[in-house]
Amino acid sequence: SQTIHQWPATLVQPVGSPLSLECTVEGTSNPNLYWYRQAAGRGLQLLFYSIGIGQISSEVPQNLSASRPQDRQFILSSKKLLLSDSGFYLCAWRGSGANVLTFGAGSRLTVL
Amino acid sequence: GENVEQHPSTLSVQEGDSAVIKCTYSDSASNYFPWYKQELGKRPQLIIDIRSNVGEKKDQRIAVTLNKTAKHFSLHITETQPEDSAVYFCAASDGIGNQFYFGTGTSLTVIP
Repeated sequence: SQTIHQWPATLVQPVGSPLSLECTVEGTSNPNLYWYRQAAGRGLQLLFYSIGIGQISSEVPQNLSASRPQDRQFILSSKKLLLSDSGFYLCAWRGSGANVLTFGAGSRLTVL
Repeated sequence: GENVEQHPSTLSVQEGDSAVIKCTYSDSASNYFPWYKQELGKRPQLIIDIRSNVGEKKDQRIAVTLNKTAKHFSLHITETQPEDSAVYFCAASDGIGNQFYFGTGTSLTVIP
């Protein structure tokens, strides 16, 4: 069966520090991969999505970047965090040819 | 891109009553409409979905209706229970299925 792993689960980072969140999917190949951000009490904002290795589409220009170095690996990064980057970051995947979007457990980022 | 609006943002009902959440979308190319339930601090989980070739779908106490002409769809929960309390998100996906756009969420509270 397919599973999605996301880490770290929580992290507290100072302003100006770098960020790396990682997401991997098991049990499938060539998935579509997504990064969403959820600010406190807010909705789900699509940040990036990828339909294949090295193919990244950005929805919102911002302080973040994404990379897909392997088929089932999706990384969210920042060189210098801002206070406004705080939030709950969710990785998600969708199988090719399927519709259902499945979320990882999320990473809660607090920037101080 | 797609714009999904969701109402109401908060909803309180007495246990046993029905709850209705409504969403509208803007892109006529959208053809897949899932609903997610997110409990506090957890990941969103798919509870029901509908495709554009279907007008209504039901799963026990949960039903979703779709009006393609008016570009709106709704979630109906009957005989609500305290465990239904959560934030509910609607979403719309384009015909290719690469992007999912979410509504801003509805915080449902079921009062015992």
